[in-house]
Amino acid sequence: QKEVEQNSGPLSVPEGAIASLNCTYSDRGSQSFFWYRQYSGKSPELIMFIYSNGDKEDGRFTAQLNKASQYVSLLIRDSQPSDSATYLCAGGNYGQNFVFGPGTRLSVLP
Amino acid sequence: DGGITQSPKYLFRKEGQNVTLSCEQNLNHDAMYWYRQDPGQGLRLIYYSQIVNDFQKGDIAEGYSVSREKKESFPLTVTSAQKNPTAFYLCASRGADQPQHFGDGTRLSIL
Repeated sequence: QKEVEQNSGPLSVPEGAIASLNCTYSDRGSQSFFWYRQYSGKSPELIMFIYSNGDKEDGRFTAQLNKASQYVSLLIRDSQPSDSATYLCAGGNYGQNFVFGPGTRLSVLP
Repeated sequence: DGGITQSPKYLFRKEGQNVTLSCEQNLNHDAMYWYRQDPGQGLRLIYYSQIVNDFQKGDIAEGYSVSREKKESFPLTVTSAQKNPTAFYLCASRGADQPQHFGDGTRLSIL
């Protein structure tokens, strides 16, 4: 069974700090990885995707992928209270289904 | 505007009743998905369809049924066989080699 694991949290960081969210996956053949943000009571919103080893930056967000270690992370720089949400990691391959992790709840404290 | 529309936002089911959740997309996406989310939990795949007139069971298909008669539409029926239907239901779609995007969801409760 393909699995994606995340620490459920809550992860609490002070405003302005870097939040680091981590995800591991069991299927070594997975090539595509996604981070979604989900506010309470709302649907998930795609914020980052990464396909290659290394870092990918978009504004305050950086996704990191290490296929050898089967590890994906999301860094949020200069965290804001509005970043408080649950972050879902998903992985897999196009043509198959993506597997979602349970999510990590992030709380950014003013 | 292009997007994924789920309706209704809130739905109540009586004992023994079947209910149908609507999902429509105008993004010309081939693949569509239904997920269930329980409070504080992740997403569990119910059914998915990669192409019109074809669909596959996901991890928790028992008590649910779907159809895919049109590319734009992928309705989900929660049957009376689903004994614990209270959850947040999310529909998603994606194009070829594109990430999934989600509709706004339907919240189903038992009366």
